[in-house]
Amino acid sequence: SQTIHQWPATLVQPVGSPLSLECTVEGTSNPNLYWYRQAAGRGLQLLFYSVGIGQISSEVPQNLSASRPQDRQFILSSKKLLLSDSGFYLCAWKQGSMNTEAFFGQGTRLTVV
Amino acid sequence: AQSVTQLGSHVSVSEGALVLLRCNYSSSVPPYLFWYVQYPNQGLQLLLKYTSAATLVKGINGFEAEFKKSETSFHLTKPSAHMSDAAEYFCAVNPGYALNFGKGTSLLVTP
Repeated sequence: SQTIHQWPATLVQPVGSPLSLECTVEGTSNPNLYWYRQAAGRGLQLLFYSVGIGQISSEVPQNLSASRPQDRQFILSSKKLLLSDSGFYLCAWKQGSMNTEAFFGQGTRLTVV
Repeated sequence: AQSVTQLGSHVSVSEGALVLLRCNYSSSVPPYLFWYVQYPNQGLQLLLKYTSAATLVKGINGFEAEFKKSETSFHLTKPSAHMSDAAEYFCAVNPGYALNFGKGTSLLVTP
């Protein structure tokens, strides 16, 4: 069966520090991978998605970047965190066809202080 | 662009009462629609999905949703609420490469 791992679960970082959140998927190949950010009352905002190794699409301009160094690994990064980067970050995967659902990791609660 | 709107950011029901969470979609073509549930500080879990096979879709935990093209709706229902149903619920549509989510409805269940 397929599983998705996302870590860490919580993170407190000072303003201006770097960030690296990692997500890995097991039990499937060539998945689409996603990073979402969730803010209270605003639902889930799609940040990045990837349909293959090295292929990254950004949905919104921001202080963050994403990379996919391996087929089932997706990394969210920042060189210098801002207070506004605080939030709940969710990694997800799905197969490419339109009628398939996305499967989510447990999320990372990031607090920038 | 395909999108969904969830009516009501907060819904409160008594234990044992009917749960109705509303979702309307905007799409010029038949959409693929999903309902997810999120418990505090956790990821999202799929409740059910509509992929045009049947208009009434049954999901996990006793939830179901009915696709109504004439009303562009995909409301989520459960006949009798349990305390354990208290959570955030999200409706989503798949326009192609990724799911677009509504803003969510927080369900409160009172004794």
